[in-house]
Amino acid sequence: DTEVTQTPKHLVMGMTNKKSLKCEQHMGHRAMYWYKQKAKKPPELMFVYSYEKLSINESVPSRFSPECPNSSLLNLHLHALQPEDSALYLCASSQDRSTNEKLFFGSGTQLSVL
Amino acid sequence: GEDVEQSLFLSVREGDSSVINCTYTDSSSTYLYWYKQEPGAGLQLLTYIFSNMDMKQDQRLTVLLNKKDKHLSLRIADTQTGDSAIYFCAGEIISGGYNKLIFGAGTRLAVHP
Repeated sequence: DTEVTQTPKHLVMGMTNKKSLKCEQHMGHRAMYWYKQKAKKPPELMFVYSYEKLSINESVPSRFSPECPNSSLLNLHLHALQPEDSALYLCASSQDRSTNEKLFFGSGTQLSVL
Repeated sequence: GEDVEQSLFLSVREGDSSVINCTYTDSSSTYLYWYKQEPGAGLQLLTYIFSNMDMKQDQRLTVLLNKKDKHLSLRIADTQTGDSAIYFCAGEIISGGYNKLIFGAGTRLAVHP
């Protein structure tokens, strides 16, 4: 199993809603990532978890709250988002946080904030 | 910090070779990567090259690295319509004690009959 599975594939939410994005991998990877990708732009790193601990937060606003319940799961909790937060949210995993990060990406959740 | 630049668009005929170019600024990247993104999908790692190598070949893919000029290229031989996608090059830097990928803006490859 070399897949990173993300749900839902599409999400439309209002600015007052609370929603969560989910990510799962069963490759035994110990590093998991959230990236944000705006249209026609490269992915930008948001958060990195290493061995279930948050190791990097790229100055992401607190309306985005990551959670790593176990080594296979990564969530991104969303609350009070703004329309400019509309983007493709990509989850990725890698063996660990050493050099030569071969990242495996999920297909992403396309988020629209109204 | 690292800055990675790519040309934004490339159009080739089916069967021809495609060459996608990338320049980077931080020569401390240990590895350099090429990722492919098809519409509505995540990124797929195509290949990577260690910084002390000049060339790496993997089936239809050839990566050339010129460290002096900080130039990386990806050649796709016998380009097929299924190769139509956005191709991102990425460098790896140390940031806050951790390795971090910095992506270029992506090159959209269009393959026409």
